[in-house]
Amino acid sequence: DTEVTQTPKHLVMGMTNKKSLKCEQHMGHRAMYWYKQKAKKPPELMFVYSYEKLSINESVPSRFSPECPNSSLLNLHLHALQPEDSALYLCASSHVTDLYGYTFGSGTRLTVV
Amino acid sequence: GESVGLHLPTLSVQEGDNSIINCAYSNSASDYFIWYKQESGKGPQFIIDIRSNMDKRQGQRVTVLLNKTVKHLSLQIAATQPGDSAVYFCAEKDQAGTALIFGKGTTLSVSS
Repeated sequence: DTEVTQTPKHLVMGMTNKKSLKCEQHMGHRAMYWYKQKAKKPPELMFVYSYEKLSINESVPSRFSPECPNSSLLNLHLHALQPEDSALYLCASSHVTDLYGYTFGSGTRLTVV
Repeated sequence: GESVGLHLPTLSVQEGDNSIINCAYSNSASDYFIWYKQESGKGPQFIIDIRSNMDKRQGQRVTVLLNKTVKHLSLQIAATQPGDSAVYFCAEKDQAGTALIFGKGTTLSVSS
Protein backbone atom coordinates (compact mmCIF):
# COMPACT_ATOMS: atom_id res chain seq x y z
CA ASP A 1 0.00 0.00 0.00
CA THR A 2 1.65 3.25 -1.16
CA GLU A 3 -1.22 5.62 -0.55
CA VAL A 4 -2.30 8.27 1.91
CA THR A 5 -6.08 8.22 2.26
CA GLN A 6 -8.00 11.31 3.36
CA THR A 7 -11.65 11.53 4.30
CA PRO A 8 -13.95 13.20 3.59
CA LYS A 9 -13.06 14.50 0.13
CA HIS A 10 -15.39 17.47 0.54
CA LEU A 11 -16.77 19.14 3.67
CA VAL A 12 -19.06 22.10 4.16
CA MET A 13 -19.41 23.34 7.72
CA GLY A 14 -20.90 26.28 9.54
CA MET A 15 -18.84 28.55 11.77
CA THR A 16 -20.32 26.98 14.91
CA ASN A 17 -19.83 23.37 13.84
CA LYS A 18 -17.27 20.85 15.03
CA LYS A 19 -15.89 18.46 12.43
CA SER A 20 -12.84 16.27 11.92
CA LEU A 21 -10.63 15.45 8.97
CA LYS A 22 -9.06 12.03 8.84
CA CYS A 23 -5.87 10.72 7.28
CA GLU A 24 -4.57 7.15 7.11
CA GLN A 25 -1.43 5.49 5.75
CA HIS A 26 -0.06 1.96 5.93
CA MET A 27 3.44 2.53 4.58
CA GLY A 28 5.09 2.30 7.98
CA HIS A 29 5.88 6.02 7.94
CA ARG A 30 6.38 7.49 11.41
CA ALA A 31 6.16 11.15 10.33
CA MET A 32 2.84 12.67 9.35
CA TYR A 33 1.93 16.20 8.34
CA TRP A 34 -0.97 18.58 7.79
CA TYR A 35 -0.80 21.28 5.14
CA LYS A 36 -3.26 23.98 4.11
CA GLN A 37 -3.49 25.08 0.48
CA LYS A 38 -5.38 28.10 -0.80
CA ALA A 39 -6.24 28.46 -4.47
CA LYS A 40 -3.27 29.11 -6.75
CA LYS A 41 -0.85 28.97 -3.80
CA PRO A 42 1.64 26.35 -2.62
CA PRO A 43 0.80 24.08 0.32
CA GLU A 44 1.65 25.64 3.70
CA LEU A 45 2.87 23.47 6.54
CA MET A 46 0.60 23.43 9.62
CA PHE A 47 1.67 20.54 11.86
CA VAL A 48 4.33 17.84 12.00
CA TYR A 49 4.05 14.60 13.98
CA SER A 50 7.08 12.41 14.57
CA TYR A 51 6.59 9.04 16.28
CA GLU A 52 3.03 10.08 17.13
CA LYS A 53 4.18 13.21 18.97
CA LEU A 54 3.59 16.77 17.83
CA SER A 55 6.96 18.21 16.88
CA ILE A 56 6.05 21.33 14.94
CA ASN A 57 3.05 23.69 15.13
CA GLU A 58 3.50 26.47 12.63
CA SER A 59 1.63 29.07 14.71
CA VAL A 60 -1.71 27.62 13.71
CA PRO A 61 -4.80 29.04 15.49
CA SER A 62 -6.24 26.87 18.25
CA ARG A 63 -9.46 26.33 16.31
CA PHE A 64 -7.38 23.67 14.49
CA SER A 65 -6.49 20.78 16.78
CA PRO A 66 -4.40 17.88 15.49
CA GLU A 67 -4.34 14.40 16.92
CA CYS A 68 -2.26 11.32 16.12
CA PRO A 69 -3.93 8.34 17.83
CA ASN A 70 -1.52 5.78 16.37
CA SER A 71 1.24 5.45 13.80
CA SER A 72 -1.21 5.04 10.90
CA LEU A 73 -3.80 7.70 11.69
CA LEU A 74 -3.80 11.48 11.81
CA ASN A 75 -6.82 13.64 12.57
CA LEU A 76 -7.46 17.35 12.36
CA HIS A 77 -10.28 18.56 14.59
CA LEU A 78 -12.01 21.74 13.50
CA HIS A 79 -14.06 24.07 15.70
CA ALA A 80 -15.38 27.61 15.27
CA LEU A 81 -13.73 28.10 11.91
CA GLN A 82 -13.90 31.26 9.86
CA PRO A 83 -14.76 31.58 6.16
CA GLU A 84 -11.11 32.40 5.43
CA ASP A 85 -10.22 28.89 6.66
CA SER A 86 -11.83 27.49 3.52
CA ALA A 87 -9.08 25.67 1.64
CA LEU A 88 -7.73 22.30 0.54
CA TYR A 89 -6.31 20.46 3.55
CA LEU A 90 -3.59 17.99 2.67
CA CYS A 91 -2.12 15.18 4.73
CA ALA A 92 1.30 13.68 4.01
CA SER A 93 3.55 11.02 5.49
CA SER A 94 7.21 10.08 5.23
CA HIS A 95 10.12 8.38 6.95
CA VAL A 96 11.27 10.43 9.92
CA THR A 97 15.04 10.57 9.54
CA ASP A 98 15.48 11.46 5.88
CA LEU A 99 11.89 12.37 4.81
CA TYR A 100 12.14 9.66 2.15
CA GLY A 101 8.86 8.62 0.54
CA TYR A 102 7.08 11.92 1.25
CA THR A 103 3.59 11.10 -0.02
CA PHE A 104 0.47 13.27 -0.10
CA GLY A 105 -3.17 12.37 0.05
CA SER A 106 -5.75 13.83 -2.31
CA GLY A 107 -6.91 16.33 0.28
CA THR A 108 -10.16 17.47 1.84
CA ARG A 109 -11.81 20.45 0.19
CA LEU A 110 -13.21 22.45 3.13
CA THR A 111 -15.78 25.22 2.78
CA VAL A 112 -16.76 27.26 5.85
CA VAL A 113 -20.08 29.05 5.53
CA GLY B 1 12.35 23.55 -26.16
CA GLU B 2 11.05 26.20 -23.83
CA SER B 3 13.17 27.19 -20.86
CA VAL B 4 13.27 29.96 -18.34
CA GLY B 5 16.19 31.13 -16.26
CA LEU B 6 14.13 32.63 -13.48
CA HIS B 7 10.99 31.35 -11.83
CA LEU B 8 7.89 32.23 -13.83
CA PRO B 9 4.38 31.43 -12.66
CA THR B 10 3.31 30.06 -16.04
CA LEU B 11 4.93 28.21 -18.92
CA SER B 12 3.19 27.43 -22.20
CA VAL B 13 4.66 24.88 -24.62
CA GLN B 14 3.66 22.88 -27.66
CA GLU B 15 3.20 19.13 -27.49
CA GLY B 16 6.49 17.43 -28.19
CA ASP B 17 8.64 20.31 -26.96
CA ASN B 18 11.03 19.96 -24.06
CA SER B 19 10.07 21.98 -20.97
CA ILE B 20 12.31 23.37 -18.26
CA ILE B 21 10.84 24.59 -14.99
CA ASN B 22 13.08 26.44 -12.55
CA CYS B 23 13.01 26.88 -8.81
CA ALA B 24 15.14 28.87 -6.37
CA TYR B 25 15.32 27.34 -2.92
CA SER B 26 16.18 29.12 0.32
CA ASN B 27 17.58 26.58 2.79
CA SER B 28 21.24 26.03 1.98
CA ALA B 29 21.28 23.21 4.56
CA SER B 30 18.60 21.20 2.78
CA ASP B 31 20.00 17.86 1.65
CA TYR B 32 16.87 16.61 -0.05
CA PHE B 33 14.56 18.04 -2.70
CA ILE B 34 11.43 16.79 -4.45
CA TRP B 35 9.50 17.91 -7.51
CA TYR B 36 5.74 17.46 -7.34
CA LYS B 37 3.01 17.68 -9.97
CA GLN B 38 -0.43 18.85 -8.88
CA GLU B 39 -3.48 18.54 -11.08
CA SER B 40 -6.64 20.47 -10.38
CA GLY B 41 -8.52 19.16 -7.34
CA LYS B 42 -5.83 16.62 -6.46
CA GLY B 43 -2.97 16.35 -4.01
CA PRO B 44 0.67 16.82 -5.03
CA GLN B 45 2.06 13.80 -6.86
CA PHE B 46 5.73 12.82 -6.50
CA ILE B 47 7.70 13.14 -9.75
CA ILE B 48 11.37 12.86 -8.86
CA ASP B 49 13.70 13.57 -5.96
CA ILE B 50 17.37 14.37 -5.57
CA ARG B 51 19.80 14.42 -2.67
CA SER B 52 22.38 17.14 -2.24
CA ASN B 53 25.29 14.80 -2.98
CA MET B 54 24.07 14.63 -6.60
CA ASP B 55 23.92 17.25 -9.37
CA LYS B 56 21.58 15.41 -11.69
CA ARG B 57 19.06 12.62 -11.57
CA GLN B 58 17.01 11.15 -14.39
CA GLY B 59 13.65 9.46 -14.41
CA GLN B 60 11.23 8.54 -17.13
CA ARG B 61 11.09 11.62 -19.40
CA VAL B 62 12.14 13.83 -16.47
CA THR B 63 15.50 15.10 -15.24
CA VAL B 64 16.22 17.14 -12.14
CA LEU B 65 19.30 19.34 -11.92
CA LEU B 66 20.64 20.74 -8.67
CA ASN B 67 23.02 23.70 -8.46
CA LYS B 68 23.95 24.17 -4.81
CA THR B 69 26.21 27.13 -5.52
CA VAL B 70 23.28 29.33 -6.53
CA LYS B 71 20.58 27.32 -4.72
CA HIS B 72 18.75 26.44 -7.90
CA LEU B 73 16.72 23.42 -8.98
CA SER B 74 15.33 22.69 -12.39
CA LEU B 75 12.96 20.10 -13.78
CA GLN B 76 13.30 19.11 -17.40
CA ILE B 77 10.44 17.29 -19.10
CA ALA B 78 11.22 15.68 -22.44
CA ALA B 79 8.65 15.45 -25.23
CA THR B 80 6.00 17.25 -23.21
CA GLN B 81 2.49 15.82 -23.55
CA PRO B 82 -0.96 17.34 -22.86
CA GLY B 83 -1.20 15.09 -19.79
CA ASP B 84 1.77 16.97 -18.34
CA SER B 85 -0.37 20.09 -17.95
CA ALA B 86 -0.46 20.84 -14.22
CA VAL B 87 1.13 22.97 -11.52
CA TYR B 88 4.68 21.94 -10.64
CA PHE B 89 6.20 22.62 -7.23
CA CYS B 90 9.69 22.15 -5.93
CA ALA B 91 10.03 21.28 -2.25
CA GLU B 92 13.00 21.56 0.11
CA LYS B 93 13.58 20.64 3.72
CA ASP B 94 12.65 23.32 6.24
CA GLN B 95 15.26 24.79 8.60
CA ALA B 96 14.53 22.15 11.22
CA GLY B 97 14.95 19.39 8.64
CA THR B 98 11.71 17.74 9.75
CA ALA B 99 9.31 18.64 6.92
CA LEU B 100 9.18 19.85 3.33
CA ILE B 101 8.25 23.38 2.37
CA PHE B 102 7.15 24.37 -1.09
CA GLY B 103 8.24 26.88 -3.69
CA LYS B 104 5.77 29.10 -5.50
CA GLY B 105 4.82 26.72 -8.29
CA THR B 106 4.74 26.94 -12.07
CA THR B 107 1.65 26.24 -14.13
CA LEU B 108 2.60 24.26 -17.25
CA SER B 109 0.16 24.42 -20.16
CA VAL B 110 0.71 22.06 -23.08
CA SER B 111 -1.15 22.67 -26.32
CA SER B 112 -1.50 20.05 -29.06
